Amino acid sequence: IVMTQSPATLSVSPGERVTLSCRSSRSVSNKLAWYQQKPGQPPRLLIYDVSTRVRGIPARFSGSGSGTEFTLTISSLQSEDFAVYYCQQYNNWPPNLTFGGGTKVEIK
Amino acid sequence: QVRLVESGGGVVKPGKSLRLSCAASGFTFGTSAMHWVRQAPGKGLEWLAVISNDAREKYYADSVKGRFTVSRDNFRNTLFLQMNSLRIEDSGVYYCAKGMTVMVITTFDDWGQGTELTVSS
Repeated sequence: IVMTQSPATLSVSPGERVTLSCRSSRSVSNKLAWYQQKPGQPPRLLIYDVSTRVRGIPARFSGSGSGTEFTLTISSLQSEDFAVYYCQQYNNWPPNLTFGGGTKVEIK
Repeated sequence: QVRLVESGGGVVKPGKSLRLSCAASGFTFGTSAMHWVRQAPGKGLEWLAVISNDAREKYYADSVKGRFTVSRDNFRNTLFLQMNSLRIEDSGVYYCAKGMTVMVITTFDDWGQGTELTVSS
């Protein structure tokens, strides 16, 4: 399953609403996760099963979608949210847990 | 809390072998599937391999199948990745990641800091 994220880069001002897209080449049901990665750090799981926020992740992060089209929304971008965001599917058998190419959210 | 510490990276020549380790603590290691994920310099994430909690199931990405072997020692709470026939394109940061559930198909709720591998002649 190929995961495609768009756009590759998003230039945003703090406080703005941000929408990141992720598309799969075939249905992944609800087995879709989002990660945040900052420079020099490992990825951090934000959301799994399309829309379930990990404990401790702020409510400004939300996920939606189904089948092949998914969205990560940040309702009001904070300074600490500038990072690269990856989607990942975990639905196919045998396991081949593919990631999207990432969307970099940078300061406008 | 969960702690995953990778080690074993370094600089090796093409065709050589290397073994990575990941020491786990802060959770019941024997109840989690464990994964290896890598990130080439400046690039995205690539899932490499998973091993079930009891080591009976192992699956690999096509890019490393036949060259890499994942294993684990549940008594020593350690995950391994044996890498043979290394190629320049295997260079990158290698992360071990804890599966969120006992299933081999799952997302990853904890990651190590990574260990860096450079394959160069």
